[in-house]
Amino acid sequence: GQQVMQIPQYQHVQEGEDFTTYCNSSTTLSNIQWYKQRPGGHPVFLIQLVKSGEVKKQKRLTFQFGEAKKNSSLHITATQTTDVGTYFCGNAGNNRKLIWGLGTSLAVNP
Amino acid sequence: SQTIHQWPATLVQPVGSPLSLECTVEGTSNPNLYWYRQAAGRGLQLLFYSVGIGQISSEVPQNLSASRPQDRQFILSSKKLLLSDSGFYLCAWSLGPQRGVGANVLTFGAGSRLTVL
Repeated sequence: GQQVMQIPQYQHVQEGEDFTTYCNSSTTLSNIQWYKQRPGGHPVFLIQLVKSGEVKKQKRLTFQFGEAKKNSSLHITATQTTDVGTYFCGNAGNNRKLIWGLGTSLAVNP
Repeated sequence: SQTIHQWPATLVQPVGSPLSLECTVEGTSNPNLYWYRQAAGRGLQLLFYSVGIGQISSEVPQNLSASRPQDRQFILSSKKLLLSDSGFYLCAWSLGPQRGVGANVLTFGAGSRLTVL
């Protein structure tokens, strides 16, 4: 079945450094969603991308959807301790289910 | 606005005991409802989803079951818990893709942390 691979599994950065997590699929994706889960919390929706080559920004966060719609990335500029958490990507298919990546856990040293 | 409530937040249960987790959604009608489990603080495993009252799809064979007795109520149950049932259980809802682009965004409840001893 369809799978979404997410790398890296873990990332440890110094505050102020940049961070990127990647989401890859072997098949074309109709859309990609990104969620953030703070430690001890629940996933919270960040954004959805649907167009080939789409780029969206939310303050220090930049989301990209690949031209072939098989990959996506989330880039955080100048990380802060508030960015700590696990970032998940997922694809919402026509069968109403979201296919999830395993997430990238980000730790930020102050 | 829509809200989702999930309870209990935390519970510790002995092996072999029953389980009931409840989830309700307010402010919308006919939502898609989901139960996820997250073990070891990482990946999200879809357990059940429902597109309507009495309609339940199971994703993973196990000793858990789900029911949707009312439009906005979703219940996760077990007759006899196993040690491996420990984890963080998350209820979520979405409008579903039939309601347009962006309608399949998931909104999660705060979660129920289950420890089976």
